[in-house]
Amino acid sequence: GAGVSQSPSNKVTEKGKDVELRCDPISGHTALYWYRQRLGQGLEFLIYFQGNSAPDKSGLPSDRFSAERTGESVSTLTIQRTQQEDSAVYLCASSLGLALIHTDTQYFGPGTRLTVL
Amino acid sequence: RKEVEQDPGPFNVPEGATVAFNCTYSNSASQSFFWYRQDCRKEPKLLMSVYSSGNEDGRFTAQLNRASQYISLLIRDSKLSDSATYLCVVNTGDTGRRALTFGSGTRLQVQP
Repeated sequence: GAGVSQSPSNKVTEKGKDVELRCDPISGHTALYWYRQRLGQGLEFLIYFQGNSAPDKSGLPSDRFSAERTGESVSTLTIQRTQQEDSAVYLCASSLGLALIHTDTQYFGPGTRLTVL
Repeated sequence: RKEVEQDPGPFNVPEGATVAFNCTYSNSASQSFFWYRQDCRKEPKLLMSVYSSGNEDGRFTAQLNRASQYISLLIRDSKLSDSATYLCVVNTGDTGRRALTFGSGTRLQVQP
């Protein structure tokens, strides 16, 4: 079965441009997450969707970052007016959305490597 | 202070060795604990959940000490294929707070 897919795999952009990153979760997974991983560092949580609502946006670093999700499928993370410090790998994960977090395994996509020049 | 702290390593060990990784977490409200594995330039993958009583999966054993806020991972009989970065991961379990908090990872290099 298909896993989580993300596109593009790599994105190089100029400072000040807007970028859109896409995530296709595993079919049937109601929960979707975005994380960011800077070089040599751990993953940082950005936002969590349950269905198409976002109960937890606490990790979005600034108002330049936004995300939306269509139903229980595709999500798009948008970064406006990109800065060099936005350079990172952006990882999407999905899970069944089970009540017990301990059993609700998050499966990660391969990520989008964003480089802001 | 980071929420989840790990020794970054690298740990360089010969094949067949036993190696242990430690992790501490700062939020006493943390409820769920995991070890993930991340290969170079790849996405993280769940290795195992960590239960209060400790749990074992083949050559891997995980332990949790809630009083000390400490998690460990033991790998016995190391294989070359175990070379990767091991991520300690926690979740507070608050309602609606499903985000995982990741440590920076401990790098393991198993040598022939």
